[in-house]
Amino acid sequence: DAGVIQSPRHEVTEMGQEVTLRCKPISGHDYLFWYRQTMMRGLELLIYFNNNVPIDDSGMPEDRFSAKMPNASFSTLKIQPSEPRDSAVYFCASSPGLPGKEQYFGPGTRLTVT
Amino acid sequence: AQSVTQLDSQVPVFEEAPVELRCNYSSSVSVYLFWYVQYPNQGLQLLLKYLSGSTLVKGINGFEAEFNKSQTSFHLRKPSVHISDTAEYFCAVSDRNAGNMLTFGGGTRLMVKP
Repeated sequence: DAGVIQSPRHEVTEMGQEVTLRCKPISGHDYLFWYRQTMMRGLELLIYFNNNVPIDDSGMPEDRFSAKMPNASFSTLKIQPSEPRDSAVYFCASSPGLPGKEQYFGPGTRLTVT
Repeated sequence: AQSVTQLDSQVPVFEEAPVELRCNYSSSVSVYLFWYVQYPNQGLQLLLKYLSGSTLVKGINGFEAEFNKSQTSFHLRKPSVHISDTAEYFCAVSDRNAGNMLTFGGGTRLMVKP
């Protein structure tokens, strides 16, 4: 398997623009997680899905952020409008449904909002 | 709810010296325990995990960790580090009964010097 795939790997955009980050989880994994990593706040869980259904979105910072999982092989994280403080590395991870299974992380998308 | 504390944000060490990265957790329920490593500009990857059984767990790259239930700790050790071990290390826990959501510690940056 190719592992978790994220695109784009780097995104530079101007404040106010819409940004869409994409994730393809490992085939057969039931869970999908979106994280944000910054120097100041470390690694934060934004939202996670189980069988394409959002389970916990309490980590989504505000209404400008939204996430969808239309099918088992694709998820998006959208920021509209983007702000400079959204600059971070965004990770997607997936995990099988069995207890104790680890999460497999993608390479991340480095977002810079100017 | 769980919480994870990594007591050292940075650990400098000379090459071939032993190292211990400390992790303490707090939880009202039984947990699974994980250590992940993040190399520069990469996603997180699993080093090792504790599910049950022997409290000493061996992982990749010569790392091992010991689960201590009475002290609620899961410290990571390596008897002799290499320059290539320079990375960020994250301790994480998951509730045995709540899917595979992870609670991460703040991370420890291991800096191996020649």
